[in-house]
Amino acid sequence: DAKTTQPPSMDCAEGRAANLPCNHSTISGNEYVYWYRQIHSQGPQYIIHGLKNNETNEMASLIITEDRKSSTLILPHATLRDTAVYYCIVRVAGDKIIFGKGTRLHILP
Amino acid sequence: GAGVSQTPSNKVTEKGKYVELRCDPISGHTALYWYRQSLGQGPEFLIYFQGTGAADDSGLPNDRFFAVRPEGSVSTLKIQRTERGDSAVYLCASSQQYRGDWNEQFFGPGTRLTVL
Repeated sequence: DAKTTQPPSMDCAEGRAANLPCNHSTISGNEYVYWYRQIHSQGPQYIIHGLKNNETNEMASLIITEDRKSSTLILPHATLRDTAVYYCIVRVAGDKIIFGKGTRLHILP
Repeated sequence: GAGVSQTPSNKVTEKGKYVELRCDPISGHTALYWYRQSLGQGPEFLIYFQGTGAADDSGLPNDRFFAVRPEGSVSTLKIQRTERGDSAVYLCASSQQYRGDWNEQFFGPGTRLTVL
């Protein structure tokens, strides 16, 4: 079973920041938080990952709480192309991915 | 550079037939993963190769499913006596170690299998 809990769907206005929450209260000390997204009819795409520090790359930012029991993925300026299912995953690096159902993000024009 | 490729992109077969699905990982990636995704669900892990050997095949649903990676590069997922419930998108991913740390998994576009 997936070790994360995500809302099934969210809406965000185009141009605004999309904040996607994830709960992972049973995360272990050696498990990372990963985010992938899946655009319709494509394979999942890696976005970002982190262990305990906040991370930022060209796609998104990842904010992890100090107790590591939850995190937020931030897409700073959402566009229509960001419409996708977003998966939050906790796993040991290099291990298989156990996907949950993710959050279906709708970007509204 | 070239990403993970999968062939065929679509496969339609009849119940009871045998099918093979191919995955070409990114060159140099030592780890290869197979997942399958049913409509409306997240991908489900099937099997993971480290080099030529299957490091974890705990996700294979039954003995009709088998996968090989004989030279540590291309992998083939084989399904015998297909059933309608095997209809799904079969995804392949690869990854590599860099300085002792694992990079993310890169996914292919998938093969859509339909069993009539």
